[in-house]
Amino acid sequence: DIVMTQSPDSLAVSLGERATINCKSSQSVLYYSNNHNYLAWYQQRPGQPPKLLIYWASTRESGVPDRFSGSGSGTDFTLTISSLQAEDVAVYYCQQYYTLPWTFGQGTKVEIK
Amino acid sequence: QVQLQESGPGLVKPSQTLSLTCTVSGDSISGGNYYWTWIRQTAGRGLEWIGRIKTSGTTNYNPSLESRVTISLDPSKNQFSLMLSSVTAADTAVYYCARGITVVDFNNWFDPWGQGTLVAVSS
Repeated sequence: DIVMTQSPDSLAVSLGERATINCKSSQSVLYYSNNHNYLAWYQQRPGQPPKLLIYWASTRESGVPDRFSGSGSGTDFTLTISSLQAEDVAVYYCQQYYTLPWTFGQGTKVEIK
Repeated sequence: QVQLQESGPGLVKPSQTLSLTCTVSGDSISGGNYYWTWIRQTAGRGLEWIGRIKTSGTTNYNPSLESRVTISLDPSKNQFSLMLSSVTAADTAVYYCARGITVVDFNNWFDPWGQGTLVAVSS
């Protein structure tokens, strides 16, 4: 199985400041034939199911605010929240869909400082 | 707008079979290029993909659970189901159903997810 490791486990950021979450895969999730990274990001607010934010590592899902952005390639990826809002308090997960079984990172909890 | 809702017993005895159903509204389970999926979440193991079924009936399961899992479709009710046999306390989790979105006909992300249902395994 591909192991997804996120860092940090938690972070506290002031409102309006940048939050950066890292995700590392144990093997590359870049499919060279189409140059796509098979990686998605989800947001899970307290008491809610995960919600899709980003797929193909950097494509924002429709309706997701543009303060959320994804970057990276191969084995190293980043989710950035450019200006943290109160409603962004949540746990964020990365997921690889390169090879079965699909696997998730352990999650990064984002709080307000 | 498609919505998914899990239903089933919240308590299952050890060694018995856990059975859950996901009812899909706002979309036909028989149409589209989707994978209807089960995922579970625990504090200890995080999010764990259980398995999926395509509209064709093709299934894929997590090897860690494959010997105990069956996922099936009921197009007449617009539902799909999960059965997990020989459960133990380690199977206590919040179980989610989700729609797997694919554009490359095999690999998929998940959107949307159901609200989730807590299933406890206890005597």
